Formats: sequence, structure tokens, C-alpha cells
Amino acid sequence: DAGVIQSPRHEVTEMGQEVTLRCKPISGHDYLFWYRQTMMRGLELLIYFNNNVPIDDSGMPEDRFSAKMPNASFSTLKIQPSEPRDSAVYFCASSLGTSGRETQYFGPGTRLLVL
Amino acid sequence: AQSVTQPDIHITVSEGASLELRCNYSYGATPYLFWYVQSPGQGLQLLLKYFSGDTLVQGIKGFEAEFKRSQSSFNLRKPSVHWSDAAEYFCAVGRTSYDKVIFGPGTSLSVIP
Repeated sequence: DAGVIQSPRHEVTEMGQEVTLRCKPISGHDYLFWYRQTMMRGLELLIYFNNNVPIDDSGMPEDRFSAKMPNASFSTLKIQPSEPRDSAVYFCASSLGTSGRETQYFGPGTRLLVL
Repeated sequence: AQSVTQPDIHITVSEGASLELRCNYSYGATPYLFWYVQSPGQGLQLLLKYFSGDTLVQGIKGFEAEFKRSQSSFNLRKPSVHWSDAAEYFCAVGRTSYDKVIFGPGTSLSVIP
């Protein structure tokens, strides 16, 4: 398996622009997670899905952030409008089964810079 | 609420020396415990995990961790560090029937040749 795939790997944009991050989980995995990593706040869970349904979005920082999972093999995280403080590395991860005990498989991340 | 602390933000060791990274958790029952490693520019990768049974767990890359219930700890060890072990290490805790895993703040490991 190719593992979790994220695109783009790097994104540089200007404040106010819309940013869309993409993720393809490992085939057969029923959980998908979006994380954000910064030096100041570490690794933060933004939202996660189970069988394409959003379960917990309490980590989404504000309404500018939205995430969708239209099917089992694709998810997006959108920021509109983007702000400099959104600059971070965004990771997608997937797992099979209840993730409290299952291994999460992380993608390589998208490094976002908002100018 | 469950939480994870990693007291050491940064550790530097010489190549060939032994390593111990500390992790403490707060949770009422026996948790599921994980150690992940993040190499520079990469995503996180599972090193090992503990669910139950033998409290000494073996993982990949020669790492092991020991669960100590009395100390609420799950420290990661390696007898001889290699330069390629330089990375960020995250301890994480999960629990039954709960989807989220809580990650600690991470410990950055530097290895001196």
C-alpha cells in the first residue's frame, strides 16, 4: 500500500486566500484524522471522521476551517480565508478500528505558509 | 480527563550511549499507550504500543518501553543510540471505546557523533 497520501506537500499563499489540503487514506481504513502541528502548540487534533462521517470537530479553531470526506478514499481540509497564524504543518492520518487502541498511520504532511 | 506529559523538551546524547525518554500519563484506568517517532520533514510513525500483558514492550528500531502502573509512566529506552535516531518522539495515550488518542508535547532527540 502507498500509505496515506497528502497533497500538496508545500503550500505558500497570501493572507485572505482559500487553501485546500487533500488526503487519501489507506484503503480499508475507516477512521481519518486531521492534525495541525506548530512549534507553539505541538500536535493538535482538528477533526476526525468515522466511515466518512465527522465525529468530533471540537479541535477546529474557527469557522474559517472546514473539512469534508465525500467518500472513503478522499478528504479535504479547507481554510477560507487564510491568515498568517494558520501557518503550520497539517497531517492527515488514518486507522482501522477504534483508534483509542489502533495504530494511526500518518501522511507526510502539508507545510502551509500564509504570508 | 486523560493527559500526557513528556518532561524533557530536548535531549542530547552521544552516539552509542543509552537513551531513556520519559512519559507520564493521567488516566483512571489502564490506558493504551503508544510511542511515535517523527523524523525531520516526515509524518509520525509508530514505534511500539502497549495494551495489556507483559509490561515490557519491544518495538521497531531496537526500542523498548516499560509500563509502570504505580508511577503512571511509559518510558522509552534504547541501549545504544544511532545517529539516525535523531528525531522527535511522541508519547500518546488512548482508551477503550474512545476514538481519540492524546499526544504528548514531544521530546526532541539530538545525537552527537
